[in-house]
Amino acid sequence: AQKVTQAQTEISVVEKEDVTLDCVYETRDTTYYLFWYKQPPSGELVFLIRRNSFDEQNEISGRYSWNFQKSTSSFNFTITASQVVDSAVYFCALIRGFQKLVFGTGTRLLVSP
Amino acid sequence: EAGVVQSPRYKIIEKKQPVAFWCNPISGHNTLYWYLQNLGQGPELLIRYENEEAVDDSQLPKDRFSAERLKGVDSTLKIQPAELGDSAVYLCASSSGGAGQETQYFGPGTRLLVL
Repeated sequence: AQKVTQAQTEISVVEKEDVTLDCVYETRDTTYYLFWYKQPPSGELVFLIRRNSFDEQNEISGRYSWNFQKSTSSFNFTITASQVVDSAVYFCALIRGFQKLVFGTGTRLLVSP
Repeated sequence: EAGVVQSPRYKIIEKKQPVAFWCNPISGHNTLYWYLQNLGQGPELLIRYENEEAVDDSQLPKDRFSAERLKGVDSTLKIQPAELGDSAVYLCASSSGGAGQETQYFGPGTRLLVL
């Protein structure tokens, strides 16, 4: 069975601080895909990144970066110099083959000015 | 390019009443998904369509929930009769392929409150 764990329920930071959101996953498959989505107060899930299990290169996109480590089954997300607009709930998700996308319970990030 | 469109955005009904949600996927996306999101939880899949065929409806409570995607484009999810526990956000998503690894793009959701 697949499982995604986001142990951090809520994180509060002050603007310009760096923050890392943790994601730990479980799967017995060697081929799978990992995702991060952002859900702002408006409710829409916004796609951030998709990574396949064979690509362990870290990725950076502006202030966002992702650290994928198969050895620890983790796919952590870091926001550098956080901004108030980053306040949202962030979901990590996993899918393999034709199975359903399995989400974690989300981490609520609150960035204060 | 327009994203996934859902309507209504909000719906308040009394228990035992019927309710329907509509979704129009991104143009060209053959795969459409309906998810249920309870407060404080991640979305959970209800049903997946490949064109007009429901290929995974194992999580859909068929006694009161039904869905259709007659022409393989837009879709409707219905609850009849609604119960208090159905209060949640209903999300629609679409993707360009059904192999599972394609990125799913989500709509804004319909927030349902059953009184």
